[in-house]
Amino acid sequence: GDSVTQMEGPVTLSEEAFLTINCTYTATGYPSLFWYVQYPGEGLQLLLKATKVDDKGSNKGFEATYRKETTSFHLEKGSVQVSDSAVYFCALSGDSWGKLQFGAGTQVVVTP
Amino acid sequence: DTAVSQTPKYLVTQMGNDKSIKCEQNLGHDTMYWYKQDSKKFLKIMFSYNNKELIINETVPNRFSPKSPDKAHLNLHINSLELGDSAVYFCASSRPGTSTDTQYFGPGTRLTVL
Repeated sequence: GDSVTQMEGPVTLSEEAFLTINCTYTATGYPSLFWYVQYPGEGLQLLLKATKVDDKGSNKGFEATYRKETTSFHLEKGSVQVSDSAVYFCALSGDSWGKLQFGAGTQVVVTP
Repeated sequence: DTAVSQTPKYLVTQMGNDKSIKCEQNLGHDTMYWYKQDSKKFLKIMFSYNNKELIINETVPNRFSPKSPDKAHLNLHINSLELGDSAVYFCASSRPGTSTDTQYFGPGTRLTVL
């Protein structure tokens, strides 16, 4: 079945550092790919998405590119802020009803 | 205006009790979901309804029963609660029939079974 694997955390960074969170997937066909973010004590918010191969999703300085050859959707941000501290989830959806398959989540801690 | 709301936010109860969690969305979506997040933050879908019809029913104990009185509401009833049911339960909604559309999540209900 479909699955998502993302790097384990926590990832601890200093403010203004470069952030990469690796995400790879296994799926038949061409699923849609998502990054969701969960701030402490809150629900999930969509950060960005890509629905076609080679699409790049971007939002709030974060970017991720849908790569079919490496089955990856790595999340990057050039300069993180303390307010980016959160848990980041990579997810895919391969069926018409939008069922999301999540990775295990990666906690990111940004220190001043 | 809150897009997806859940009540209660916190629920503490004893083993063996029956409890319900309510979810409402005001986005005009036709599809709603329940997800369970365990203590390690792992998220897994439980159920989905489209226009009051059950369309996704993952391997979940039959003590869990979703109910959708209309397309804006999806409630989750849990019978005979067990310690392992302790988790955060998230409701979400989206437009129907598309895997590309964004799911909007509620703030979650933290269930603690003692």
